[in-house]
Amino acid sequence: EVQLVESGGGLVQPGGSLRLSCAASGFTFSSYSMNWVRQAPGKGLEWVSYISSSSSTIYYADSVKGRFTISRDNAKNSLYLQMNSLRAEDTAVYYCARDLMVRGPYNWFDPWGQGTLVTVSS
Amino acid sequence: DIQLTQSPSFLSASVGDRVTITCRASQGISSYLAWYQQKPGKAPKLLIYAASTLQSGVPSRFSGSGSGTEFTLTISSLQPEDFATYYCQQRNSYPITFGQGTRLEIK
Repeated sequence: EVQLVESGGGLVQPGGSLRLSCAASGFTFSSYSMNWVRQAPGKGLEWVSYISSSSSTIYYADSVKGRFTISRDNAKNSLYLQMNSLRAEDTAVYYCARDLMVRGPYNWFDPWGQGTLVTVSS
Repeated sequence: DIQLTQSPSFLSASVGDRVTITCRASQGISSYLAWYQQKPGKAPKLLIYAASTLQSGVPSRFSGSGSGTEFTLTISSLQPEDFATYYCQQRNSYPITFGQGTRLEIK
């Protein structure tokens, strides 16, 4: 079964840091590009970041550029999001999402993890 | 950035109804559009990609059409499990963007 499981969310003060992880199983992780997408409470979906299968290509939303860093470890079947200088507006459920097909990017997101909640508050 | 505007933002319908949701892009995006369904407390689920390709396992009552700047998601006969929020998403260029969502509720 293809599965993505996020972890690492929690409560952090403004200006603080947090590292999210996404553990992948049931497919050849190293063949797929990956993304992070977030959803603020009661709001819509916002794409955060993209990383290619080999980590050679990375993109960020302007709202997180310079503060967030996406990375992956194909040997550990894991995706990461290092979040620094966190702001209240970063409060959201963060989802990792796999590209639909290999040899992308196609940037059709399927499947998604269950999400991990990040709350930035003093 | 490419803006996606969905209409309506809220839709009330009955089981068995045919419903259509529209997504308009601020510039042409060819057929680089997907549709997702999200239920409360759950992750989004891919329904349609490349404007009209039905994702594996998705019921055939869902269909998508359009190209360029105007796209539609149609549900031919609403089932109780279809009441959810629907989002369109473009992958024509970065940043990838989503529509604001259409909440479909039971009348």
